[in-house]
Amino acid sequence: GQSLEQPSEVTAVEGAIVQINCTYQTSGFYGLSWYQQHDGGAPTFLSYNGLDGLEETGRFSSFLSRSDSYGYLLLQELQMKDSASYFCAVRVPSSGSARQLTFGSGTQLTVLP
Amino acid sequence: EAGVAQSPRYKIIEKRQSVAFWCNPISGHATLYWYQQILGQGPKLLIQFQNNGVVDDSQLPKDRFSAERLKGVDSTLKIQPAKLEDSAVYLCASSFGTPDSINYNEQFFGPGTRLTVL
Repeated sequence: GQSLEQPSEVTAVEGAIVQINCTYQTSGFYGLSWYQQHDGGAPTFLSYNGLDGLEETGRFSSFLSRSDSYGYLLLQELQMKDSASYFCAVRVPSSGSARQLTFGSGTQLTVLP
Repeated sequence: EAGVAQSPRYKIIEKRQSVAFWCNPISGHATLYWYQQILGQGPKLLIQFQNNGVVDDSQLPKDRFSAERLKGVDSTLKIQPAKLEDSAVYLCASSFGTPDSINYNEQFFGPGTRLTVL
């Protein structure tokens, strides 16, 4: 089976930097993905790490350490619109040669003015 | 480019009734997914299709849930009969690549159908 742990809530102020951690235990592992979901909205893709290291996309960066079964999402220059839930998701073996995503429970980020 | 379309957006039914959800993925996307998202939790994969074939339905409660993707395009998910614990948002997603692709293909999610079972 798969298990993922991420903090349930994080609060930060506008302009600050926040890091959301994710640890996982899986049977097989291909990579770690992050999705953002605003209240009542659809999850949207932020990043994917298939290899160890840091991936940067604008204000967002994501890191993976396969040896530590650990990753994080770093959000810089926080804006009010970043208030949302953030989900880490592991890409793991499915049936046959297929792969699937298993999502964590999400971290609710609140950005204060 | 049009996104993933889902209908209805909201549905309220009584337990033991039946309900069906419809999804039209992004044109050209080979893989289609149905997820169940219970309030306060992450999406949970129910079933994954590649074109019109089922790739993985291991987490689909097959005694009451069924899904099909005829002609490899749009898809329907049905619950019959519904239980109280089925109250959730049902999300459809699609991705361009196939499920066995070495490269990761981001999943594009629809707005979801919010189901309330009374």
